[in-house]
Amino acid sequence: EDQVTQSPEALRLQEGESSSLNCSYTVSGLRGLFWYRQDPGKGPEFLFTLYSAGEEKEKERLKATLTKKESFLHITAPKPEDSATYLCAVQPAEKLVFGKGTKLTVNP
Amino acid sequence: NAGVTQTPKFRILKIGQSMTLQCTQDMNHNYMYWYRQDPGMGLKLIYYSVGAGITDKGEVPNGYNVSRSTTEDFPLRLELAAPSQTSVYFCASSYEGIYEQYFGPGTRLTVT
Repeated sequence: EDQVTQSPEALRLQEGESSSLNCSYTVSGLRGLFWYRQDPGKGPEFLFTLYSAGEEKEKERLKATLTKKESFLHITAPKPEDSATYLCAVQPAEKLVFGKGTKLTVNP
Repeated sequence: NAGVTQTPKFRILKIGQSMTLQCTQDMNHNYMYWYRQDPGMGLKLIYYSVGAGITDKGEVPNGYNVSRSTTEDFPLRLELAAPSQTSVYFCASSYEGIYEQYFGPGTRLTVT
């Protein structure tokens, strides 16, 4: 069965304190791994797609990396506006399998 | 460019009532999806469609029905609403199955 586990469930950081979110997965055949950001009361917003081990993508303070078993979302010098729930999803076929997310809070 | 739109934003139903959640996308995407999101849980796929006239079940289809008569619209029908269907419902679309999905703002449904 395809599974996605995200850790930690919640993370509190001080502004400027860098950290990483983890997404570990078991999947029959990975076609892609996706990161989304979700603000309270809103739909998920697409951030990155990673297709193969070793691939990295960056956007502002965020950097996503991929290995054969897990992905990391690195947050460098976060700001309060980075506070959100970050969702990871894998795509073994036409459908996405989502993790439960990591709720990130960045305090000023 | 509106992207994915959903109506209504909020709805309260009594047990046994029926309703349709509307979803429209203006990006000419072939694939469309319906998810539900419960507190502390990941998004669960209800139904999806790979094109007009073609639909298929996801992980949690019981109690729901869908149709796809046009590329733009993908309504979700709830028949005989039950308290277990209290959730936030998201519609999403993608150009093809291997590309990123774009989500609507969601419909918050309460069944009492």
